[in-house]
Amino acid sequence: DAMVIQNPRYQVTQFGKPVTLSCSQTLNHNVMYWYQQKSSQAPKLLFHYYDKDFNNEADTPDNFQSRRPNTSFCFLDIRSPGLGDAAMYLCATSRDFWRGSNQPQHFGDGTRLSIL
Amino acid sequence: AQSVTQLDSQVPVFEEAPVELRCNYSSSVSVYLFWYVQYPNQGLQLLLKYLSGSTLVKGINGFEAEFNKSQTSFHLRKPSVHISDTAEYFCAVSVSQGGKLIFGQGTELSVKP
Repeated sequence: DAMVIQNPRYQVTQFGKPVTLSCSQTLNHNVMYWYQQKSSQAPKLLFHYYDKDFNNEADTPDNFQSRRPNTSFCFLDIRSPGLGDAAMYLCATSRDFWRGSNQPQHFGDGTRLSIL
Repeated sequence: AQSVTQLDSQVPVFEEAPVELRCNYSSSVSVYLFWYVQYPNQGLQLLLKYLSGSTLVKGINGFEAEFNKSQTSFHLRKPSVHISDTAEYFCAVSVSQGGKLIFGQGTELSVKP
């Protein structure tokens, strides 16, 4: 089945130690999103890629970066994680939204990040 | 700017009872509307969507929702819930000119035996 796969499902890192979360997709969707979801809150969009074009949300901290080396893979890098960055990180994909934003986003199962 | 309000943060209900999860939105332009479900420690799964046409939308797992433009609402309903419906439910909108999803704060549905 075509899927959005996030690895690892659970990640533990130390305060200030860089960490990378990965997302891969077999849907061949050209748009990929990263969301941060804290406990009992709605997902908050951090940024998205439209093909190779990176689009950052205005309130996303500089500590968060992303890379998309090809259509299938997208990475979330947290350069110096703080305690407040502990959350579930969700990756999602959708097809070409500029032609009409009626394409639903497909989500992975998320990576739960803990900071020690 | 668009916003979504889910009127109930928690909805407890007994098994086989009907349920309605309420969602209101605000937007100055046309919107597309979605309901997503999130089971514990999982990602979001699309339940149903309203794009245009019939205002009553049927989704997976026996859920349906009705778009009401005059009341700017998109309430989710199920006539008879199961224990397995226990989850967090998110209402979301996206506007015609972009794909960004705006989520409500979520409603925790708890189905009790």
